Amino acid sequence: NAGVTQTPKFRVLKTGQSMTLLCAQDMNHEYMYWYRQDPGMGLRLIHYSVGEGTTAKGEVPDGYNVSRLKKQNFLLGLESAAPSQTSVYFCASSVRGYEQYFGPGTRLTVT
Amino acid sequence: AQSVTQLGSHVSVSEGALVLLRCNYSSSVPPYLFWYVQYPNQGLQLLLKYTSAATLVKGINGFEAEFKKSETSFHLTKPSAHMSDAAEYFCAVSRRNGGYQKVTFGTGTKLQVIP
Repeated sequence: NAGVTQTPKFRVLKTGQSMTLLCAQDMNHEYMYWYRQDPGMGLRLIHYSVGEGTTAKGEVPDGYNVSRLKKQNFLLGLESAAPSQTSVYFCASSVRGYEQYFGPGTRLTVT
Repeated sequence: AQSVTQLGSHVSVSEGALVLLRCNYSSSVPPYLFWYVQYPNQGLQLLLKYTSAATLVKGINGFEAEFKKSETSFHLTKPSAHMSDAAEYFCAVSRRNGGYQKVTFGTGTKLQVIP
């Protein structure tokens, strides 16, 4: 099993550009999450999904959109990137919201 | 509401010394509690979890944590620190919130191990 994978690993965007981060899991987990991690702030939940076709806002959803068209995939979109979105993004999945399995992260820089 | 407080954003110990990382939680109902470890440039990995069975929970790499309801604490310990334990550690609490299980992470504690 690959577990949770994230694509890409690194990305540099200019302000105003758009991009999509892909998360895939092969554990048949119902729940999937997108977090951002910034120094001194821990993990902050952006959006989450409790099943295929469902999404919900987390703690810091502004400027991001998500889609869960297939159970194994959870996409995070930035429509118009801003320097404040420079961060490390982690995807995670879980069985019904208990222990989470994390991907390796995507380091995004917005200039 | 639920929250997690990790006391000390940075902790330094000597190699071979006791590791103690503190976590206090607030939750209106009995929670599930977790400790995760993050090594540099990696994602988080589960160290151990409390799910209302035994109050002393053993995890990987010699770590353990004790759930103390009266103190609302779930501190992480290891008797003897190893250089490879240097990492960032996150406490997390999970409880039912409406139709889904909500998870809240603490802000993390970076552990430095001094040779």
